[in-house]
Amino acid sequence: DAGITQSPRHKVTETGTPVTLRCHQTENHRYMYWYRQDPGHGLRLIHYSYGVKDTDKGEVSDGYSVSRSKTEDFLLTLESATSSQTSVYFCAISPTGAYGYTFGSGTRLTVV
Amino acid sequence: SQQGEEDPQALSIQEGENATMNCSYKTSINNLQWYRQNSGRGLVHLILIRSNEREKHSGRLRVTLDTSKKSSSLLITASRAADTASYFCATDLPGNTPLVFGKGTRLSVIA
Repeated sequence: DAGITQSPRHKVTETGTPVTLRCHQTENHRYMYWYRQDPGHGLRLIHYSYGVKDTDKGEVSDGYSVSRSKTEDFLLTLESATSSQTSVYFCAISPTGAYGYTFGSGTRLTVV
Repeated sequence: SQQGEEDPQALSIQEGENATMNCSYKTSINNLQWYRQNSGRGLVHLILIRSNEREKHSGRLRVTLDTSKKSSSLLITASRAADTASYFCATDLPGNTPLVFGKGTRLSVIA
C-alpha cells in the first residue's frame, strides 16, 4: 500500500528461531501498530508505538518485542517462534492515533 | 473480550441488492470506523462516524450510529461483485488507545 511497506511478505521459519518483521513508512506518521489476524479472532493488537522509542503493549504481546529507533521503521521480533505464532501480521500507521489507519499488505508467517 | 462484534459473520447477496451489516460494541466510544479487506490484502479505511453523529454517507455507503444501543450499521447500496470482501468495524475508545477491531463480516456478492 502507498506509503507503507512490510517485509518480508512471506516467511517460513522453524520453532525456536528468532524472527524479525519490518514495517517501513514514508508518511512521517507518529503512530505505528502491529496486529495479527487469525481465523475466528479478527485483528488483535500486539504492540504499538506513539513515537520514536515510545512503545506499549497490546492485547497479545506475550512472546513479541518491538523497537522503533526511527520514525519510519517499526520492527516486530518474535524472540523464539512457536507454532501458535503462525499468523498473518499487519502493520498500520496513523497520523493522530484516532482516525483512519493505513495498513500494509501483511506478512504471512508460518512456524513449523 | 472483543469490543466490537459484527453481525452476520457471513452474508451472500445478488449483485444489485443492498447489503447491511451490523456492529455492536460494549463501552463508550469517540468514533467508530468501518474497514474493508479484500482477500489477501490489508484493510482499507472506508468511513468514520463520530459519537455525536447519527448517520453518514459516502458514495454507496451509509453508516448509522446509535450510541444508546451501542450499535452501528453499514449499508452498501446497489452492491457489485467488486464489493466482495470482509468488512470490519473498529472502535476508537477514550484515552487515545489504539483502535479495537471486530471479527468482521464476509460479504459475497454474486454476479
